[in-house]
Amino acid sequence: AQSVTQPDIHITVSEGASLELRCNYSYGATPYLFWYVQSPGQGLQLLLKYFSGDTLVQGIKGFEAEFKRSQSSFNLRKPSVHWSDAAEYFCAVAKNNDMRFGAGTRLTVKP
Amino acid sequence: DAGVIQSPRHEVTEMGQEVTLRCKPISGHDYLFWYRQTMMRGLELLIYFNNNVPIDDSGMPEDRFSAKMPNASFSTLKIQPSEPRDSAVYFCASSFFGSPLHFGNGTRLTVT
Repeated sequence: AQSVTQPDIHITVSEGASLELRCNYSYGATPYLFWYVQSPGQGLQLLLKYFSGDTLVQGIKGFEAEFKRSQSSFNLRKPSVHWSDAAEYFCAVAKNNDMRFGAGTRLTVKP
Repeated sequence: DAGVIQSPRHEVTEMGQEVTLRCKPISGHDYLFWYRQTMMRGLELLIYFNNNVPIDDSGMPEDRFSAKMPNASFSTLKIQPSEPRDSAVYFCASSFFGSPLHFGNGTRLTVT
């Protein structure tokens, strides 16, 4: 069955530190891959997406993600976290308009 | 474009009452999705439409939930009767085939 796993429910990092949020998926074929961010009181905003081609994808707000087929992973990274990055992050996979989300990772940023 | 518009932003109601959530998708998008977000279950797909026709409603929790899309610019999600366990944030999203979803800001529903 198709599934998306975000192993970390909650991550705390210091401002300026690097960040990596993990995402693993189980799917019959390589799906489309997405990362969304939900800031407090806001809707979901698309950070980046992977459809094909270069496996390192650049997104908005300084985020990037790398697709690793052998590991069925699509981890989100940022070299230096800002306090405004505190939010809930969702990984999602889609194939033929069947879209599934991970449970989300809450990011807390310490001053 | 104004994006996906949901109303109301917040809804507080008593158990047993009918609740109607509304969504206006982005013009030109032919897919519309309703999601529910809770702390326990994360983000769940409830139902989605293509060209106003319901395609997959397997995520609708039970018969108390119903969704309609009378035209390309409007959809409703109705809960009748509402229960406290329905308290969640409900998101509407729209897209055209193969494109990422565009989400509304959600409706926070509290059922007391």
